[in-house]
Amino acid sequence: NAGVMQNPRHLVRRRGQEARLRCSPMKGHSHVYWYRQLPEEGLKFMVYLQKENIIDESGMPKERFSAEFPKEGPSILRIQQVVRGDSAAYFCASSPKRRTRDEQYFGPGTRLTVT
Amino acid sequence: ELKVEQNPLFLSMQEGKNYTIYCNYSTTSDRLYWYRQDPGKSLESLFVLLSNGAVKQEGRLMASLDTKARLSTLHITAAVHDLSATYFCAVDMGNFGNEKLTFGTGTRLTIIP
Repeated sequence: NAGVMQNPRHLVRRRGQEARLRCSPMKGHSHVYWYRQLPEEGLKFMVYLQKENIIDESGMPKERFSAEFPKEGPSILRIQQVVRGDSAAYFCASSPKRRTRDEQYFGPGTRLTVT
Repeated sequence: ELKVEQNPLFLSMQEGKNYTIYCNYSTTSDRLYWYRQDPGKSLESLFVLLSNGAVKQEGRLMASLDTKARLSTLHITAAVHDLSATYFCAVDMGNFGNEKLTFGTGTRLTIIP
């Protein structure tokens, strides 16, 4: 059973470009969480999605950031008009269902560098 | 707002010594997780603590949870070099719609030969 997959693993964008980060949850998992880790810091929650629904986006910046988890395909975190402050590692995690006592399983992360 | 604090932030210890990392959180929760992160890598799950008084051990690491004190500890026994990493605790509210994890600041552990 493959784990959580993220791609690309490394992404370099110039200021003003768009970044698209993809996350494929573990097989059988229908809930996806995105977290951001700035250098030398802990992970900060961004958004929690179920298939075709955003459950909690309280950690998402109000502008330039969006996330989706379509019925088919991976979850996408999209950052428009990237700025240097967006440089970070973005981790995706998945879990089987809501109100689960199971843990979240983390992917390898996408390291975004904005030049 | 749930806040999670770890201390110490940095810990340098000699091989063979024992030490404890502390994780305090601000709101009632009975779900606490410990993760390890190596530089440039993802998070590796170490322990899941789901009830008051829970204690789990794996190798030289032991974690415990006191929900009344809102405190978890990660105890390292007879440290060895390959335990050098950053350790994070994380808490979730456990309530419907509040499954997001709130992470501590992390403890960077360096084991010196």
